[in-house]
Amino acid sequence: GQQLNQSPQSMFIQEGEDVSMNCTSSSIFNTWLWYKQEPGEGPVLLIALYKAGELTSNGRLTAQFGITRKDSFLNISASIPSDVGIYFCAGSTSGTYKYIFGTGTRLKVLA
Amino acid sequence: ETGVTQTPRHLVMGMTNKKSLKCEQHLGHNAMYWYKQSAKKPLELMFVYSLEERVENNSVPSRFSPECPNSSHLFLHLHTLQPEDSALYLCASSQVRGSSQETQYFGPGTRLLVL
Repeated sequence: GQQLNQSPQSMFIQEGEDVSMNCTSSSIFNTWLWYKQEPGEGPVLLIALYKAGELTSNGRLTAQFGITRKDSFLNISASIPSDVGIYFCAGSTSGTYKYIFGTGTRLKVLA
Repeated sequence: ETGVTQTPRHLVMGMTNKKSLKCEQHLGHNAMYWYKQSAKKPLELMFVYSLEERVENNSVPSRFSPECPNSSHLFLHLHTLQPEDSALYLCASSQVRGSSQETQYFGPGTRLLVL
């Protein structure tokens, strides 16, 4: 089925560093969501994007809805140990009940 | 607290058992979803209910049987499962308006192990 390409697959970074990850699709989406999932828990919504070009922040997190509507980016500034987890993107098109999920970026922060 | 609860959080069952997973949403949404999450694979959409009607069934084996008695509750009935069905089962809900849907919120999941 349809799938989003999310990269990188995993990242090991030092505490205090900035992090960037992205998702690309062959399809145009009208909604992008970014989630974080910790072990044994469900995904928790971080940021929702509804308009091409939109840039939205949530604390140290910033996400952008790509102009082409086929990609999205998530940045984390000044990472801390509790940022550890798997970050998922998800995209949806109008007229569908489905969100397509990326394969996730596994983030590890070294103190 | 995301407003979506799931029980049980963990379940171990034999291949001949029958069990049910329960999901409840307290967000006033009108659509609910079951997803399967296996290691190193994207989330797999299993079923979608909108206004208590099933609108999506992604070729899921009949040993999985969903039930949506009202807009706040969703069940997944399990019987004669296989070991490869072991996974994290996630419930989600959203508000569907016309041809678009808003953000999906997830429950904490049920970790299922089939022996």
